[in-house]
Amino acid sequence: AQTVTQSQPEMSVQEAETVTLSCTYDTSENNYYLFWYKQPPSRQMILVIRQEAYKQQNATENRFSVNFQKAAKSFSLKISDSQLGDTAMYFCAFTKYGNKLVFGAGTILRVKS
Amino acid sequence: EAGVAQSPRYKIIEKRQSVAFWCNPISGHATLYWYQQILGQGPKLLIQFQNNGVVDDSQLPKDRFSAERLKGVDSTLKIQPAKLEDSAVYLCASSLGRTTNEKLFFGSGTQLSVL
Repeated sequence: AQTVTQSQPEMSVQEAETVTLSCTYDTSENNYYLFWYKQPPSRQMILVIRQEAYKQQNATENRFSVNFQKAAKSFSLKISDSQLGDTAMYFCAFTKYGNKLVFGAGTILRVKS
Repeated sequence: EAGVAQSPRYKIIEKRQSVAFWCNPISGHATLYWYQQILGQGPKLLIQFQNNGVVDDSQLPKDRFSAERLKGVDSTLKIQPAKLEDSAVYLCASSLGRTTNEKLFFGSGTQLSVL
């Protein structure tokens, strides 16, 4: 079974600075998909970024980018120019085609002014 | 477009009571998911529907949990009888297509407290 590990239970960052959230996963598959979802206090989870394993280029979405290291099974999220609205729980998730989405335990990110 | 609607937002019950949650997905979305999120953990899939058929219910405790998606639109999740360990946030999500590699749209969840 696939597992997703987020080793940082909590992180803090100053407004306008950069922070990196870590995620590792375990799989024997070659083709799969990785995601970062954000869950603010409202509880509504929102997709931040998506990476397809067969693509070597790291995905980017405005201030959010990933460092996808397939051989190391690592998928970190970098948030640049952090904003107060980025304060949330961040979940890393994995799926292979046709299988359920597996989430990590999450990292609480606090952006301080 | 309207998002995924869930109700109620909060529910408090005593153990052994019954409870039901409702979800209305985004219009036109074929796939609907129910997740259980226990405090301090990531969401865990309980059941996945494609239209009104069940795709995956392997992690649904079928002795006490049941779910249905009538007419392939809205869905209800029921717990009967509830246990203390069922205290969690129950999230509903939907997606346009049939595969989990697509973007999921989530509702705001129902926070259940079992006393």
